[in-house]
Amino acid sequence: NAGVTQTPKFQVLKTGQSMTLQCAQDMNHNSMYWYRQDPGMGLRLIYYSASEGTTDKGEVPNGYNVSRLNKREFSLRLESAAPSQTSVYFCASTVRGGEPQHFGDGTRLSIL
Amino acid sequence: GESVGLHLPTLSVQEGDNSIINCAYSNSASDYFIWYKQESGKGPQFIIDIRSNMDKRQGQRVTVLLNKTVKHLSLQIAATQPGDSAVYFCAENIGHAGGTSYGKLTFGQGTILTVHP
Repeated sequence: NAGVTQTPKFQVLKTGQSMTLQCAQDMNHNSMYWYRQDPGMGLRLIYYSASEGTTDKGEVPNGYNVSRLNKREFSLRLESAAPSQTSVYFCASTVRGGEPQHFGDGTRLSIL
Repeated sequence: GESVGLHLPTLSVQEGDNSIINCAYSNSASDYFIWYKQESGKGPQFIIDIRSNMDKRQGQRVTVLLNKTVKHLSLQIAATQPGDSAVYFCAENIGHAGGTSYGKLTFGQGTILTVHP
């Protein structure tokens, strides 16, 4: 039982490059989330998908886009990477809001 | 204790002691609270949660206390072990009218717990 799987685990980009972070969950959860975590800080919500077919902005959505591909998969795209987007990105899922979210082990992204 | 907006606090205890990690929240509309443990290089791991209609909840070696009057949350870990060393985060979920909750968590900045053998 893998839970929440994120790929890749590490990535280095140059400013202006684009990339997509992938997330998949095998728990049949309805809601999925993308967070970023910067050094010495808690997680901040970028985007979320309360259910398949819906997405909405979180606290820090600028510079990102998301796609809820199906119930299992929720991807995060950086169209033109900036050094300020250097961070650790976590994907999470839950059966519904107000229930514990389960997290992947993150993607460590550096933008030079 | 930790609070959204403060520097990352630390707590150092001896193995076998009880640990108390504190968290202040700011939004009186928050209706669900959750504690996570994060080890180096890993994602946050769920520990325990509590809803706003409760003031105490117990798990295995952990207890969460909620004081809505002063907007304070605490995590108590009994008989702390070296394996409990990690960063601990509290998070709050703001309820919405009609009971809809989208699970939009707001995290505190974390407390570093170090357990010495």
